[in-house]
Amino acid sequence: KQEVTQIPAALSVPEGENLVLNCSFTDSAIYNLQWFRQDPGKGLTSLLLIQSSQREQTSGRLNASLDKSSGRSTLYIAASQPGDSATYLCAVFTGGGNKLTFGTGTQLKVEL
Amino acid sequence: NAGVMQNPRHLVRRRGQEARLRCSPMKGHSHVYWYRQLPEEGLKFMVYLQKENIIDESGMPKERFSAEFPKEGPSILRIQQVVRGDSAAYFCASSPWGGGVTEQFFGPGTRLTVL
Repeated sequence: KQEVTQIPAALSVPEGENLVLNCSFTDSAIYNLQWFRQDPGKGLTSLLLIQSSQREQTSGRLNASLDKSSGRSTLYIAASQPGDSATYLCAVFTGGGNKLTFGTGTQLKVEL
Repeated sequence: NAGVMQNPRHLVRRRGQEARLRCSPMKGHSHVYWYRQLPEEGLKFMVYLQKENIIDESGMPKERFSAEFPKEGPSILRIQQVVRGDSAAYFCASSPWGGGVTEQFFGPGTRLTVL
């Protein structure tokens, strides 16, 4: 059974800091991996999709890496801003690639 | 291109009543997924549907829960005889293709409260 863990569970940083969020999964036989952010009381916003054959994907200040063999992905956020405050979720595609197994989330707070 | 739409956004039911949650996928998307987020827990997969077909319902509780995605109209998640433990946020997602080839795009969710 696939299990996805995210470390740290919570993180508070000053504005402008670069930071790394970690995601690990127990079964390396994944299809792809997707990172999301969730604001309180809201839905999920897709940030990045990394195909299983890719090592890295970038979008603006965000960079996500994937190492399938070690069961790890990281999300790098450059020059953090207060608007980045949210819960960040990683999810791996399993079950024929049709269902997402979500991590436990990292709650990020970026302070002025 | 409007995003995934869900309604109602908030739903209050008394124990024993029925809850019907609706999801309209993004235009051009024929694959729909339902997830549930219980209080203080992570998101869990419930069911995956294509038009008129249930493809994977491995995450659905065995009783009281059903889902459909008819040829015309939105996908419906139906919970019969609700209990307090059904209180949660229910999210719908859609994608243009299956197999994890593309991202899943999520709606804003329906927050169900059972009194």
